[in-house]
Amino acid sequence: DAKTTQPPSMDCAEGRAANLPCNHSTISGNEYVYWYRQIHSQGPQYIIHGLKNNETNEMASLIITEDRKSSTLILPHATLRDTAVYYCIVRVPGSGGSNYKLTFGKGTLLTVNP
Amino acid sequence: DGGITQSPKYLFRKEGQNVTLSCEQNLNHDAMYWYRQDPGQGLRLIYYSQIVNDFQKGDIAEGYSVSREKKESFPLTVTSAQKNPTAFYLCASSISTNTGELFFGEGSRLTVL
Repeated sequence: DAKTTQPPSMDCAEGRAANLPCNHSTISGNEYVYWYRQIHSQGPQYIIHGLKNNETNEMASLIITEDRKSSTLILPHATLRDTAVYYCIVRVPGSGGSNYKLTFGKGTLLTVNP
Repeated sequence: DGGITQSPKYLFRKEGQNVTLSCEQNLNHDAMYWYRQDPGQGLRLIYYSQIVNDFQKGDIAEGYSVSREKKESFPLTVTSAQKNPTAFYLCASSISTNTGELFFGEGSRLTVL
């Protein structure tokens, strides 16, 4: 199973871009990279996912390196409400072969400062 | 509005008692999941269900039981066999288990006294 490595914490100034890195050096060719975030004491929220191309939506951008061994989640203009734990997840097969499950690690605590 | 509703939000129980946590979704999703989160830790998968009347063990199923008699409901029972039941429990759903886009509820915090 592909594992991910994220820094435990990061700081960012309000209004600046937040760039959250993730290493997934053992990712296989058909595995997607997913990003979620969890604001304190709430349920996680899906942000974005990708396979090999860069992706952008209204929340963030996802940059995946050409070798797919790492990715970066970019919040272009961080606000105080973006303070949360950010999880980088590689989708792995679950039991039964055709079922997939998400494994959440400890993530990165992003603190956006005024 | 469509979403996932978990209840109760906070629950206190005495050691040795079984507890059932409710999870309801009106998103018409086939797949549902239960995760456990301990302080400062990530989420660990307890059980998941692909479809009605089907469910499979996750990584930490011991001491827990589930049922999936209706598409919209996936209750979790924390039994007395669970050694450390105090935790934050999160329910989620997705269109199917083939997608990684999960929708989470707000969680239920269980404290065993």
